[in-house]
Amino acid sequence: DAGVIQSPRHEVTEMGQEVTLRCKPISGHDYLFWYRQTMMRGLELLIYFNNNVPIDDSGMPEDRFSAKMPNASFSTLKIQPSEPRDSAVYFCASRQTNTGELFFGEGSRLTVL
Amino acid sequence: DQQVKQNSPSLSVQEGRISILNCDYTNSMFDYFLWYKKYPAEGPTFLISISSIKDKNEDGRFTVFLNKSAKHLSLHIVPSQPGDSAVYFCAASFLSGTYKYIFGTGTRLKVLA
Repeated sequence: DAGVIQSPRHEVTEMGQEVTLRCKPISGHDYLFWYRQTMMRGLELLIYFNNNVPIDDSGMPEDRFSAKMPNASFSTLKIQPSEPRDSAVYFCASRQTNTGELFFGEGSRLTVL
Repeated sequence: DQQVKQNSPSLSVQEGRISILNCDYTNSMFDYFLWYKKYPAEGPTFLISISSIKDKNEDGRFTVFLNKSAKHLSLHIVPSQPGDSAVYFCAASFLSGTYKYIFGTGTRLKVLA
């Protein structure tokens, strides 16, 4: 299996621009998670989906952040407009219901200038 | 409010010695705990887990201990090797119901040759 695939690996943009991060979970996994890694907060859960339905988005920092999962093999995390404090590494992860292990992608490093 | 805390941001250990990484949690309803290891520019990878019905789980050089009354878990690595140098995250979750994984801020382990 190819694992969780994220794109882009690196994104540099200017403040105010729209940013879209993409994720393809492992086939057959019915849970998908978006995390953000920062020095201060470690791995911070933003939102997670079960069978393409958002279950908990309480970690999404502001209305500038939105996430969608139109089908079982694709999810996006969008930031509009982006701000310098959004600079971080964003991880997507997936798992199956009956297993405990969470599988992470390699992350998308976002820099907002 | 940080529900999972790793109070030591970094740790240095001599090769061959024991590494002990600590983690505290605040929610007594957590019943499943995991440790993940993260190398630079890679996603976190699963290392070892423990459910709340056990107080110890061992896998090769890695042992996780759980003290439910103290809401504390620790990861022991014996013997430590230079390849173990990485950031270690502990995470807490629930075996049923909500499947949120709450991660700590991480501890950077450096094993000195």
